[in-house]
Amino acid sequence: DIQMTQSPSTLSASVGDRVTITCRASQSIGRWLAWYQQKPGKAPKLLIYDASSLESGVRSRFSGSGSGTEFTLTISSLQPDDFATYYCQQHNSYSYTFGQGTKLEIK
Amino acid sequence: QVQLVQSGAEVKKPGSSVKVSCKASGGTFSSYEFNWVRQAPGQGLEWMGGIIPIFGTPNYAQKFQGRVTITAYTSTSTAYMEMRSLRSEDTAVYYCARERNCSTTYCPLGYWGQGTLVTVSS
Repeated sequence: DIQMTQSPSTLSASVGDRVTITCRASQSIGRWLAWYQQKPGKAPKLLIYDASSLESGVRSRFSGSGSGTEFTLTISSLQPDDFATYYCQQHNSYSYTFGQGTKLEIK
Repeated sequence: QVQLVQSGAEVKKPGSSVKVSCKASGGTFSSYEFNWVRQAPGQGLEWMGGIIPIFGTPNYAQKFQGRVTITAYTSTSTAYMEMRSLRSEDTAVYYCARERNCSTTYCPLGYWGQGTLVTVSS
């Protein structure tokens, strides 16, 4: 299986900050990477797919980039609603695999 | 608007089985993949397997092969995940998730159910 590794595991930031989360794949997955946001007690929500395509209804302050084995999720100006856990997921092949998650906390 | 509604919470004894349902409404049921993802308390997301109803043949993560059965019925627009030989480590929230439209064979999970908590305890 393809292993997905996110960094950092926890990120402390303030409202208005620009933050970046990194996801690395153990082998090339092209551009077939998705990012999800999850809040406590809720199902994950798709933010980005195909590495850089913004899901409908998602705020434009979220952006994704990368290809091959290294990918990033950037939030350009953090808003209070953005404090959550973020997961990357490869959708290149079965078995789909997720990163371990990055918890974004208020500083 | 696609909606996925899952069955309610379950409490099971070790060694028993559980079957969780996921009823879809809105959109086309038969030609999209329905996946199952679980999340143990305080842990990350784990893909278990998926099925495209029109084809009927599920794909499983190796970890769950032989212990999990995923099915889907177009007549009721409902997908199911059954897990056997439950153990305490299977205590988790189980989500069904439908793929979104995409340009490749394997699509991201664009629609999620509300989750079903399965507790395995003696």
